[in-house]
Amino acid sequence: GNSVTQMEGPVTLSEEAFLTINCTYTATGYPSLFWYVQYPGEGLQLLLKATKADDKGSNKGFEATYRKETTSFHLEKGSVQVSDSAVYFCALIPNAGGTSYGKLTFGQGTILTVHP
Amino acid sequence: DGGITQSPKYLFRKEGQNVTLSCEQNLNHDAMYWYRQDPGQGLRLIYYSQIVNDFQKGDIAEGYSVSREKKESFPLTVTSAQKNPTAFYLCASTPGRGGSPLHFGNGTRLTVT
Repeated sequence: GNSVTQMEGPVTLSEEAFLTINCTYTATGYPSLFWYVQYPGEGLQLLLKATKADDKGSNKGFEATYRKETTSFHLEKGSVQVSDSAVYFCALIPNAGGTSYGKLTFGQGTILTVHP
Repeated sequence: DGGITQSPKYLFRKEGQNVTLSCEQNLNHDAMYWYRQDPGQGLRLIYYSQIVNDFQKGDIAEGYSVSREKKESFPLTVTSAQKNPTAFYLCASTPGRGGSPLHFGNGTRLTVT
């Protein structure tokens, strides 16, 4: 079956530190990959996405590259801010062009806390 | 602005009572979804609907029911058969095209005592 594995949290960083949150996946075919962010008490917001191998998604200083050879989609940011404190979810949709659209498989989430 | 509205934000019920969570979208999306979120477990799919008057079970449908009488609305009923109903419930929608990301509401936190 399809699965997404994220690095264990929580992650605690100082402001301006470099962030990496690892994400690896198992899926048949060529899934689309996503990072979602959840701020306290809110729903999830799409942060970035990549739909094919070697694509790089980017938004708000965050980046992730679709690596098919290592089945990974690690999230990175060069300099985090206190406002980046949130829960980050890696997710996939298998066979994006088919009938399984919208049925995301999520990782367990990684809590990020950034201190001033 | 278009979006997904979930109400109420907080809901409290006694054990043994059914409770219905509201989800309304004005995005003109075809597909709608209900997820349950528990600490440390990510999101799990309860039910989804790709078109009006049709819906399918997700991974954890037992103890839940849904209806899709209108495109804009996808209410979720948590029945007394759900063994552990206390959780954060998230509604989402998507246009339905392949690979389209989900748009989420702000969730309803249900506490059953």
